Amino acid sequence: DIQMTQFPSTLSASVGDRITITCRASQSVSSWLAWYQQKPGRAPKLLIYKTSNLESGVPSRFSGSGSGTQFTLTISSLQPDDFATYYCQQYNTYSRTFGQGTKVEIK
Amino acid sequence: QLQLQESGSGLVKPSQTLSLTCAVSGGSITSGGYSWSWIRQPPGKGLEWMGYIYPSGTTYYNPSLRSRLTLSVDRSKNQFSLSLSSVTAADTAVYYCARDGGGGGPNYFDYWGQGTLVSVSS
Repeated sequence: DIQMTQFPSTLSASVGDRITITCRASQSVSSWLAWYQQKPGRAPKLLIYKTSNLESGVPSRFSGSGSGTQFTLTISSLQPDDFATYYCQQYNTYSRTFGQGTKVEIK
Repeated sequence: QLQLQESGSGLVKPSQTLSLTCAVSGGSITSGGYSWSWIRQPPGKGLEWMGYIYPSGTTYYNPSLRSRLTLSVDRSKNQFSLSLSSVTAADTAVYYCARDGGGGGPNYFDYWGQGTLVSVSS
């Protein structure tokens, strides 16, 4: 299986901050990388697919970049609704795997 | 709007079989060439993809679960199901069903059920 590692595990930030979450794959996943947001007690919500494509309805303050083994999710100006846990997921192989998650908390 | 809803046993005894069903509404599971997955999340932990099934019945399982997992589909009821045998406490998790977006091949998950907690305990 391809291992996905996210960092940091926890990120403390304030409303209006620009934040970046990094996701690293144990081998190349090309551009087959998605990002999800999960709030407590809720299912994950797709934010970005194929590294940088914004899912319909997702605010433009979210963006993704990268290729191969290193990817980033950026929130340009953190909003109160953005405090949540974020997961990356590779789909280069049929055995899809997720990162362990990055919790974005209020500073 | 596509909606997925999990249902099934919320408490399973160790060594028994966990069974869940995902009912799909707002669209047919046979349209668009999509496959349908199960994903689980132990309390306080990350996400684990378990396996997928096509409406044709073609499946692919996570190798770590292959010996215990069976997925099935009922096209007439627009639903698909999961059966996990020989469960232990490590199988305690919230179980989600989801659609594999993009159609065909390994993919991201664009629609999710709300999830159902299954506890394994005697």
